[in-house]
Amino acid sequence: EILLTQSPDFQSVTPKEKVTITCRASQNIGNSLHWYQQKPDQSPKLIIKYASQSFSGVPSRFSGSGSGTDFTLTINSLEAEDAATYYCQQSSSLPLTFGGGTKVDIK
Amino acid sequence: QVKLVESGGAVVQPGRSLRLSCAASGFTFSSYAMHWVRQAPGKGLEWVAFISYDGTNKYYADSLKGRFTISRDNSKSTLFLQMNSLRDEDTTVYYCASGGIETLDVWGQGTTVTVSS
Repeated sequence: EILLTQSPDFQSVTPKEKVTITCRASQNIGNSLHWYQQKPDQSPKLIIKYASQSFSGVPSRFSGSGSGTDFTLTINSLEAEDAATYYCQQSSSLPLTFGGGTKVDIK
Repeated sequence: QVKLVESGGAVVQPGRSLRLSCAASGFTFSSYAMHWVRQAPGKGLEWVAFISYDGTNKYYADSLKGRFTISRDNSKSTLFLQMNSLRDEDTTVYYCASGGIETLDVWGQGTTVTVSS
């Protein structure tokens, strides 16, 4: 099973600041890494697929990068509505696995 | 628009069975793979199972193999999860999601299963 380690676990950020979340895989997964946003009391939503492809309707301030074992989700100019927990997920091999999540709080 | 609505969640005793349903609308259900994912209260996401668009291929989390069964009825645009021999640790919110084998593009709102005596 491929383990995904996210950091940090929690981040408190001021609006308009830049947010960077990292996800490290326990082995090479190419670009088979996807990012989800889960707001409080809501279901998760796909925001980035295959490391860097924005999903339909996702604001352009969200971007992803990386390949192999190290990946990054960046939120440029954070907005209040971006307060959420962000999860990475790998699809290189079954079982699909998720990172532990990074909670982004607005100061 | 694309919509997934889970149902069937309940409070059940340990050892009992439960079947969850996920009703799909707004897209051609029979063309898409489906997944079940669960999330314990205050915890992260755990992938449960996958079924291909035609029901031919099914995959499960190793820890759940043998107890859970995923199935679908394309004529009714509905996904199912049969859960047997339920345990305390199966107390979670269960989400269905549509997409491919790799990504979970659209998620339902979830249904809550509580296993308690």
